[in-house]
Amino acid sequence: GESVGLHLPTLSVQEGDNSIINCAYSNSASDYFIWYKQESGKGPQFIIDIRSNMDKRQGQRVTVLLNKTVKHLSLQIAATQPGDSAVYFCAENDAVQKLVFGQGTRLTINP
Amino acid sequence: DGGITQSPKYLFRKEGQNVTLSCEQNLNHDAMYWYRQDPGQGLRLIYYSQIVNDFQKGDIAEGYSVSREKKESFPLTVTSAQKNPTAFYLCASSHPGGPKNGELFFGEGSRLTVL
Repeated sequence: GESVGLHLPTLSVQEGDNSIINCAYSNSASDYFIWYKQESGKGPQFIIDIRSNMDKRQGQRVTVLLNKTVKHLSLQIAATQPGDSAVYFCAENDAVQKLVFGQGTRLTINP
Repeated sequence: DGGITQSPKYLFRKEGQNVTLSCEQNLNHDAMYWYRQDPGQGLRLIYYSQIVNDFQKGDIAEGYSVSREKKESFPLTVTSAQKNPTAFYLCASSHPGGPKNGELFFGEGSRLTVL
């Protein structure tokens, strides 16, 4: 069946550096992808999304890249700040209103 | 402000007891969902409902039950049949066909601990 996974469970970066969080998906029929940020003890919050007809989408300090050839998704965070520390999940939507989530990557920002 | 409200935030239950988690949304969303999250894990879908009086099983529905009598409410009952109920439960909603299509809006979660 379809699955969404992350290459690394943890990532540590220096404050001010750029972060790249990766995600692999297995269902080539997935047409919509979302990145969520989850702070400790809270519900996930939407960061950015991308549809399968796009390769790149930019938001405020964040960029999502989609490589459909290798079924890979990445989230780039520019100039990371302490408030970026959280667990980041990618999710794919391969059916109406049904998202499949990856395991998540814990991002830690070092001062 | 519009949003999703889950209650209680923390809940303790003795083995063999049923417990119901509340989820209310005032976003006028048609679809609602329940996810379970275990430590260090992603979200797994328990049940979802795309319209009032209708719901479908997700990937891990065994030991859980839901109802959708009102558009704004989607309570989850964790029954005694659920063998390992200690987890963080997240409720979400979305509007089918909206501009962001599949985006889910999450509540703040309910942490259930079985003693």
